[in-house]
Amino acid sequence: GQQLNQSPQSMFIQEGEDVSMNCTSSSIFNTWLWYKQEPGEGPVLLIALYKAGELTSNGRLTAQFGITRKDSFLNISASIPSDVGIYFCAGRANAGGTSYGKLTFGQGTILTVHP
Amino acid sequence: DSGVTQTPKHLITATGQRVTLRCSPRSGDLSVYWYQQSLDQGLQFLIQYYNGEERAKGNILERFSAQQFPDLHSELNLSSLELGDSALYFCASSVQSQETQYFGPGTRLLVL
Repeated sequence: GQQLNQSPQSMFIQEGEDVSMNCTSSSIFNTWLWYKQEPGEGPVLLIALYKAGELTSNGRLTAQFGITRKDSFLNISASIPSDVGIYFCAGRANAGGTSYGKLTFGQGTILTVHP
Repeated sequence: DSGVTQTPKHLITATGQRVTLRCSPRSGDLSVYWYQQSLDQGLQFLIQYYNGEERAKGNILERFSAQQFPDLHSELNLSSLELGDSALYFCASSVQSQETQYFGPGTRLLVL
C-alpha cells in the first residue's frame, strides 16, 4: 500500500532558527496536506497543496508540492516556542475506488524549540 | 476549535468488551472519517462515510464497525476489545470527499 516517509523524526532547535521537514512517497498523490498536533489534541491543518509545483505560505510556514507529485516539504521560519508539536504530512490519492477521500499520513516530525 | 466534536474524551474498559465512540461533524460537512493513532502504527485511516453511505475503507478490523446517521453524526463501534486496541481514535469531517479534513479532539481508549 501507499507509504509516506517523513523526515526528520525529531528536531531540537533554538528559538529563531528556521526548520525544514519533508515527505516522500512511493506513489503519486494529488493533494498534500501538512498538519500540526499538540498533546491531547487532534491534528490541525496548517497548509493544503492541490497542484504539482505549488508553493503556499501561511504566516511563517511555507510548503511546496513536489513536481513529481511524490514529495512535499514544509519550512518554518524564525521558530518560536509555540511551534512545539508534532508535524504530519498527509497525502491523498486520486478519487475513486476504495481509497476515495482517504488520507495517508507520514510518521510525524517531533519539533522541540528551546527559548 | 475545529467544529468537530467527539465523545467521550477518555474511555477505559476491559478486554472482550464493546464500546461506541461518537462523532459530530462540522456543520454542513457531509463526509466523516475515522482514524486510529497508536505509537507503533501512527495515524491510520479506518473508514469513511459520505451522507450516510460507506465510501472508503482502510485497514479496519472486522471487530470494528461504523455508521453515519441521517443527522450526519457517526459512531464507531469496537467489539471484542484487545489490549492492542488501546489508541487515540480521531474523527474528521469535510464538506465533500475530496475537500480538506478537519479533525476532532479524539477519544483516548485504554483497554485493560
